[in-house]
Amino acid sequence: GAVVSQHPSRVICKSGTSVKIECRSLDFQATTMFWYRQFPKQSLMLMATSNEGSKATYEQGVEKDKFLINHASLTLSTLTVTSAHPEDSSFYICSAREGTSGGAPYEQYFGPGTRLTVT
Amino acid sequence: GQNIDQPTEMTATEGAIVQINCTYQTSGFNGLFWYQQHAGEAPTFLSYNVLDGLEEKGRFSSFLSRSKGYSYLLLKELQMKDSASYLCAVMDSNYQLIWGAGTKLIIKP
Repeated sequence: GAVVSQHPSRVICKSGTSVKIECRSLDFQATTMFWYRQFPKQSLMLMATSNEGSKATYEQGVEKDKFLINHASLTLSTLTVTSAHPEDSSFYICSAREGTSGGAPYEQYFGPGTRLTVT
Repeated sequence: GQNIDQPTEMTATEGAIVQINCTYQTSGFNGLFWYQQHAGEAPTFLSYNVLDGLEEKGRFSSFLSRSKGYSYLLLKELQMKDSASYLCAVMDSNYQLIWGAGTKLIIKP
């Protein structure tokens, strides 16, 4: 159980275009979803936290008009990188939290990641 | 500020034991997680500690001392497939994960 999928796994786009990345919790309801960015040889950097039906909370330094996050349902969140530039090339990872107690409470389940390359 | 420290890189031999340390200073504490991340892949959950002591799970064990702000991940009977980055993360008072930079573990035959 607790599977999170991400689509696409890899995407190449031209500078100035927009890219949408989907994150789905397949067998549980995710009350909270997180979007991370990871540059080579660096740790995960939290970009934003989203709760179903409400606006995402962005971390300091992350442009909310550039990285649009929509958490429309308990199983789906999307990240849209608008007007992408080469410096946006990175590994984007989503994670989902069920928010229940027991086991490893508040554990985050990670999607497989999306490799974005902007040319 | 909040800070998680772990070594950047470690090398160990196949079949041996390695201990990866993590020290933390965070605003509040709701548990410490260890994740494994292979290159180009997302992290996978290894362990969770919220009380002091040792949690054993097969070849992997994780230890926590809250008073010292310290944890370690112990890997026994190392296999080549254990070559990966190991991420320490602490959940703070807002239930947000604060991530360490990760320790790259290199296993040599």
